[in-house]
Amino acid sequence: DAMVIQNPRYQVTQFGKPVTLSCSQTLNHNVMYWYQQKSSQAPKLLFHYYDKDFNNEADTPDNFQSRRPNTSFCFLDIRSPGLGDAAMYLCATSRAEAPEQFFGPGTRLTVL
Amino acid sequence: KQEVTQIPAALSVPEGENLVLNCSFTDSAIYNLQWFRQDPGKGLTSLLLIQSSQREQTSGRLNASLDKSSGRSTLYIAASQPGDSATYLCAVEDSNYQLIWGAGTKLIIKP
Repeated sequence: DAMVIQNPRYQVTQFGKPVTLSCSQTLNHNVMYWYQQKSSQAPKLLFHYYDKDFNNEADTPDNFQSRRPNTSFCFLDIRSPGLGDAAMYLCATSRAEAPEQFFGPGTRLTVL
Repeated sequence: KQEVTQIPAALSVPEGENLVLNCSFTDSAIYNLQWFRQDPGKGLTSLLLIQSSQREQTSGRLNASLDKSSGRSTLYIAASQPGDSATYLCAVEDSNYQLIWGAGTKLIIKP
């Protein structure tokens, strides 16, 4: 089945230790998104890619970076995680000409 | 600036009841509205998407309506089941092709 896959599902890191979250998709969608969702809150858009065109939201901290080496994969790098970065990180994809977004299962990040 | 509100924040109903979840938005200039379901600790599942030119969409026991002029959408769930228990979020796509989210309604269906 075509889907959005996120690895790992759970990630524990130490304060200040860099971490990378990954997302892959078999939907062949040209748009990919990274969201941060804290408990009982709505998802917050961090970045999105239209093909390889990178779009950074204005209020996304510099501590967060992203890479999209090809259509299928997208990575979220957190350079120096703080306690406030503990959250669920959601990857989504869509086709530019069709607005519906499809989400992966998320990666829950814990910062010790 | 577009704002999306979902009321109530939480809802508990007995199994078998029909129910309505509400979503309101402040700017009627939207491209579409999407309803999602989220189970605890899980990702989001798209339920229904209503284009701005449409008035409603149906999938099984779910029916979503859209009234752009009043800035409202409703998600109707017929014959609720315990498996429907989840948080339901609505999101509107704005002129920048970004989703603006509501905070969600946490639904509990009691057996």
